[in-house]
Amino acid sequence: AQSVTQLDSHVSVSEGTPVLLRCNYSSSYSPSLFWYVQHPNKGLQLLLKYTSAATLVKGINGFEAEFKKSETSFHLTKPSAHMSDAAEYFCVVIYSSASKIIFGSGTRLSIRP
Amino acid sequence: DAGVTQSPTHLIKTRGQQVTLRCSPKSGHDTVSWYQQALGQGPQFIFQYYEEEERQRGNFPDRFSGHQFPNYSSELNVNALLLGDSALYLCASSRTLTTVPYEQYFGPGTRLTVT
Repeated sequence: AQSVTQLDSHVSVSEGTPVLLRCNYSSSYSPSLFWYVQHPNKGLQLLLKYTSAATLVKGINGFEAEFKKSETSFHLTKPSAHMSDAAEYFCVVIYSSASKIIFGSGTRLSIRP
Repeated sequence: DAGVTQSPTHLIKTRGQQVTLRCSPKSGHDTVSWYQQALGQGPQFIFQYYEEEERQRGNFPDRFSGHQFPNYSSELNVNALLLGDSALYLCASSRTLTTVPYEQYFGPGTRLTVT
C-alpha cells in the first residue's frame, strides 16, 4: 500500500544545533514529495518540494531535504536550529500513478534555549 | 494577492446537525482540496474538486459532500454530525495545469467542535 512514515513523533534539539526530521515513503514510480510546516493556530506552509529534478532540494528558512531513491527517504535537515523553527512538520507524498495525496503523521520539533 | 481564505474560523454544532464550511482559493488556482485534521494527527484527505466536479475522494463517508462554484470557491458539507467529526478542516488550492501539480496552498482552517 502507498504510505508515508515519519519516524519520529517528537524531536527536541538545542538552539544552534542541527535538525534532522526523518521521512520514508513506500516505493513508487515518480513520487512527488513535499515538506510542510504548521505553526500553532496557523495554516500549513510549504517548506520545499521534490519533483524529479535535483535530489537535494533547498527550501525556505534554511531547510533542505535530500531525495534518496535507494532508501526511499526524504529527510528534512537544517544546519542550525532557531527558536522560531518550533512547530509541527509534515512530510507529504503524492503518487502520480494514483494521484493520492498522503500526509505523514507529523513530527513536533521543539527547540531548547 | 489574497491567499486561501476559509470561513468561519470557529464553529460549534450539536450532534446530528449539519454544517457548511466555505473556502476561497488563491487567485489563479482552479482546484480545491479539503482535509480533516484531528487533534494531534496529520491531515486526512477528504476530496478534491476541479471544474466543479469531485475528482478524487479519500476514505470518508457520504455524510461528507462538497461543491465547487464557477468562481472556483468551494463548500464542504457534513450531515448528521458525530462527536468524531470535531477537527480542524483545512482547505487547499492548487493549479491543475502546471508543471508541479498538487503544489498546494493551505488556508488557516475552520475549527469545528461537535458537542
